[in-house]
Amino acid sequence: DQQVKQNSPSLSVQEGRISILNCDYTNSMFDYFLWYKKYPAEGPTFLISISSIKDKNEDGRFTVFLNKSAKHLSLHIVPSQPGDSAVYFCAASEGSGNTPLVFGKGTRLSVIA
Amino acid sequence: KAGVTQTPRYLIKTRGQQVTLSCSPISGHRSVSWYQQTPGQGLQFLFEYFSETQRNKGNFPGRFSGRQFSNSRSEMNVSTLELGDSALYLCASSLVVTPGETQYFGPGTRLLVL
Repeated sequence: DQQVKQNSPSLSVQEGRISILNCDYTNSMFDYFLWYKKYPAEGPTFLISISSIKDKNEDGRFTVFLNKSAKHLSLHIVPSQPGDSAVYFCAASEGSGNTPLVFGKGTRLSVIA
Repeated sequence: KAGVTQTPRYLIKTRGQQVTLSCSPISGHRSVSWYQQTPGQGLQFLFEYFSETQRNKGNFPGRFSGRQFSNSRSEMNVSTLELGDSALYLCASSLVVTPGETQYFGPGTRLLVL
């Protein structure tokens, strides 16, 4: 049973436009949500996170939105750049105890120049 | 500050063999987590160690085991390898695994089982 779902395996966006990556979750106990970016032959690198007490967190070109009632979060990248081309993983963890991150299967973003 | 290092980077084994992978966390980080990444499956949690104790374990068979040393370095072992064990094995470290805390990943060890 997949608790974190990224339903779009891939996404192509023109350079300069907005990229929107979506993530849905089923576990209502999840309290923290993170996005990681992964280039080939490298490990995932942390991008941005959000706590369930917020509905938006912004860091430069990256903004994460959380809709708890819909159990949905999204990552917006504006403007998209060719260097943003990578696989993006959504991850979630429960707020209590030392629970591990649960990852989605990833979305491959291609930013076309 | 040096990042998370994993050795070896690539490994080829045959079915039935065993393998040991190594992970050195960022200096000062006491928590080490291991993940398996296979095509189309995302990252699946294997186990997490903190101060030489396994605190969490994912849904993997007992052939997958790990340990952590007093210097926080960690190893994972897979015995009786199967073709399906071919994957990228990622190690991540953090100061402690608390809710929302960032985990820093190494480059991974790519294991191919023939």
